[in-house]
Amino acid sequence: NAGVTQTPKFRILKIGQSMTLQCTQDMNHNYMYWYRQDPGMGLKLIYYSVGAGITDKGEVPNGYNVSRSTTEDFPLRLELAAPSQTSVYFCASSPHPGTRKADTQYFGPGTRLTVL
Amino acid sequence: DQQVKQNSPSLSVQEGRISILNCDYTNSMFDYFLWYKKYPAEGPTFLISISSIKDKNEDGRFTVFLNKSAKHLSLHIVPSQPGDSAVYFCAASVRRGSTLGRLYFGRGTQLTVWP
Repeated sequence: NAGVTQTPKFRILKIGQSMTLQCTQDMNHNYMYWYRQDPGMGLKLIYYSVGAGITDKGEVPNGYNVSRSTTEDFPLRLELAAPSQTSVYFCASSPHPGTRKADTQYFGPGTRLTVL
Repeated sequence: DQQVKQNSPSLSVQEGRISILNCDYTNSMFDYFLWYKKYPAEGPTFLISISSIKDKNEDGRFTVFLNKSAKHLSLHIVPSQPGDSAVYFCAASVRRGSTLGRLYFGRGTQLTVWP
């Protein structure tokens, strides 16, 4: 199992550009999450999904959009990039509540995004 | 408003000694706590967890202690090894009655273990 994979690893965007951060998991997890981590800060939840076709906002959703058409994929879309979105983005997944280790989230390696 | 706080941004410990990382929380609804470890350029990886019905959980060199009355938990690493050098994140969730395993993270503590 590859676990959670994210692409790209690094990206530099100009203000106003758009991009999609890709996330795929092969563990058949129902739950998926997007976090951002700013320097010296903890991870903050952007969006999450409890299954294909179901998404909801987290703590810091402004400026982002998500979709979940399959169990495996959970892309994060930035429509009009702003310098405040410079951060490291982590995707994570977890099993359905009630299953073993349901509270354990498995993280991808991250995407480092710079907006200039 | 930070619901999970790690007030020490860094900790330096000699190899073989004990490392103690601390975490405080403000939300009394939290009933499940986790520690994650993060190396540079990698995602966080799960280390150890504890439910609020326990006050201690042990896994090899790692032990987590929970003091519910003080809303405080700590991670003990004994003996510390250079490979333990990483950022450690404390996280908490409300498991009871919730269908979402949303985690609230602290800011992390950089542990450096020197030979």
